Amino acid sequence: DAGITQSPRHKVTETGTPVTLRCHQTENHRYMYWYRQDPGHGLRLIHYSYGVKDTDKGEVSDGYSVSRSKTEDFLLTLESATSSQTSVYFCAISEEPGTGLQPQHFGDGTRLSIL
Amino acid sequence: SQQGEEDPQALSIQEGENATMNCSYKTSINNLQWYRQNSGRGLVHLILIRSNEREKHSGRLRVTLDTSKKSSSLLITASRAADTASYFCATDAWGNNRLAFGKGNQVVVIP
Repeated sequence: DAGITQSPRHKVTETGTPVTLRCHQTENHRYMYWYRQDPGHGLRLIHYSYGVKDTDKGEVSDGYSVSRSKTEDFLLTLESATSSQTSVYFCAISEEPGTGLQPQHFGDGTRLSIL
Repeated sequence: SQQGEEDPQALSIQEGENATMNCSYKTSINNLQWYRQNSGRGLVHLILIRSNEREKHSGRLRVTLDTSKKSSSLLITASRAADTASYFCATDAWGNNRLAFGKGNQVVVIP
């Protein structure tokens, strides 16, 4: 398995509180991604990073911010959590695409409940 | 709208039977990938097919791609109980290795 660790694995918090999820990789891959998975929607890209300090928005980025200060860590922050952000969050990594597409390798997810 | 949309279905089959699931997408692609997700786990990459390929095999997996119909299928032959999982297709909808996933197909293989 690719060396990807997500923390925490489970979290319950209240509406309006800040939440930070961490993704840590040991593969030295340049690309990292944050997805959320909800019933009926599959996986949707929140933000991604193509290098240290290089990030961009995905399909559902409103209400989320990210930071990448070093290759191995990619943080996802919910500044003020809302109940609609209750979801399972997945981090993924990949090698640089080059001329083709690279498969992504996923962590085991963080189950986040916002009450 | 979302790229890489499977016909969302729950498929229940007996061990040893074949399982087929489909995926359709809306725009031109360079590649299409299939992933498997076991309950409570992250996705695992299964196979990638490029837009200039029509069919690809990997072990008991067979993927086809029809770019004229914007569709793909995944066939699992001689299914096993361990194949019980959800299967997702994904397309490179936005470039830069960003993937758009379909809603997934749940497959249950009964021993």
